[in-house]
Amino acid sequence: GDSVTQMEGPVTLSEEAFLTINCTYTATGYPSLFWYVQYPGEGLQLLLKATKADDKGSNKGFEATYRKETTSFHLEKGSVQVSDSAVYFCALSDLSTGNQFYFGTGTSLTVIP
Amino acid sequence: EAQVTQNPRYLITVTGKKLTVTCSQNMNHEYMSWYRQDPGLGLRQIYYSMNVEVTDKGDVPEGYKVSRKEKRNFPLILESPSPNQTSLYFCASSFDRWANVLTFGAGSRLTVL
Repeated sequence: GDSVTQMEGPVTLSEEAFLTINCTYTATGYPSLFWYVQYPGEGLQLLLKATKADDKGSNKGFEATYRKETTSFHLEKGSVQVSDSAVYFCALSDLSTGNQFYFGTGTSLTVIP
Repeated sequence: EAQVTQNPRYLITVTGKKLTVTCSQNMNHEYMSWYRQDPGLGLRQIYYSMNVEVTDKGDVPEGYKVSRKEKRNFPLILESPSPNQTSLYFCASSFDRWANVLTFGAGSRLTVL
């Protein structure tokens, strides 16, 4: 079945450091891929998405490229800020297998000044 | 304001006492779903609904019921809660199954003693 595997946390970085959170997926069809972010005490919010191979999603300085050959969708940001501290979830939606969404386990990021 | 509203936000109950967590969206979304979030397991889908009177099981439906009598509401029912249903629950909606970007509620933290 479909699944998402993402890098275990927690991750602690200094402000302005480079961020990478790894995400790989397994899917039987042609999934759409997402990164969601959860700030403390809140629900998840969409950060970015990509719907087909080689698409790059970007938002708020974050980027991720849909790599079909490596089944990956790694999240990157060149210079993190304290306000980026949150839990990040990689997810996929594969309409060919129904209408389920599959989420990774989440990676907690703390950015220190 | 476009939003998904869940109630209650916090609930402590005892084993076997039926409870309902309500979910309402004001965006005229066709698709709605319920997730539970547990440490180390990420988000797992409980049930989803693609339209009024159409519901289907997600990955972890045991012990839960749902109904979709109106487009805006999608309550989650625990007929006989057990301690292993202690979790953080999220309701989410999407315009339709093809749009596949989810809008989440703020979450409902349930403790079953």
